[in-house]
Amino acid sequence: AQTVTQSQPEMSVQEAETVTLSCTYDTSESDYYLFWYKQPPSRQMILVIRQEAYKQQNATENRFSVNFQKAAKSFSLKISDSQLGDAAMYFCAYRFNNAGNMLTFGGGTRLMVKP
Amino acid sequence: DTGVSQDPRHKITKRGQNVTFRCDPISEHNRLYWYRQTLGQGPEFLTYFQNEAQLEKSRLLSDRFSAERPKGSFSTLEIQRTEQGDSAMYLCASSLGGLAGVGNEQFFGPGTRLTVL
Repeated sequence: AQTVTQSQPEMSVQEAETVTLSCTYDTSESDYYLFWYKQPPSRQMILVIRQEAYKQQNATENRFSVNFQKAAKSFSLKISDSQLGDAAMYFCAYRFNNAGNMLTFGGGTRLMVKP
Repeated sequence: DTGVSQDPRHKITKRGQNVTFRCDPISEHNRLYWYRQTLGQGPEFLTYFQNEAQLEKSRLLSDRFSAERPKGSFSTLEIQRTEQGDSAMYLCASSLGGLAGVGNEQFFGPGTRLTVL
């Protein structure tokens, strides 16, 4: 079974600084996707960034980028120029590329942004 | 904006009562997923539908849980004889499925927070 581990329950960053959230996963599959989702307080989960396992190039979405290390099964999220609105729970998620496509989530990291 | 909607947003019930939640997916999405999220944890997969067919159920979905998607549009999740351990956020998500949609993302609703007293 696939597992996703986020070892940082909480992280704190100063506004305008950079922060990196860690994620490791375990799978025996080779064709899969990895995601970072953001869940603001009392608001719905939204997709931040997605990485296809077959792509060597790390995904980037504006201030958000990932460091995907397939051999190490590591998938970290870097947030540059942190903003107050970035404060939220961040979940790393794995999806095997099969018919079901259900997501397996990590336990989450609470990010606090200090003004 | 016609995103995923869920009703009710909050439900408080007494142990032993039955509850039913509704999810309305994005209209053109043929896949619908239910997840459960307990406090301080990540969501856990419960079940998913492709159109009206329920194709997979997690072992977390005990016999007291039943989900339906009768016309391939909205879905309901019913919990019978609720227990305190059922207290959680129940999340619904939808996506495009099939070969062309394998890489498509799941869009989440706001969730229904269930409290069992």
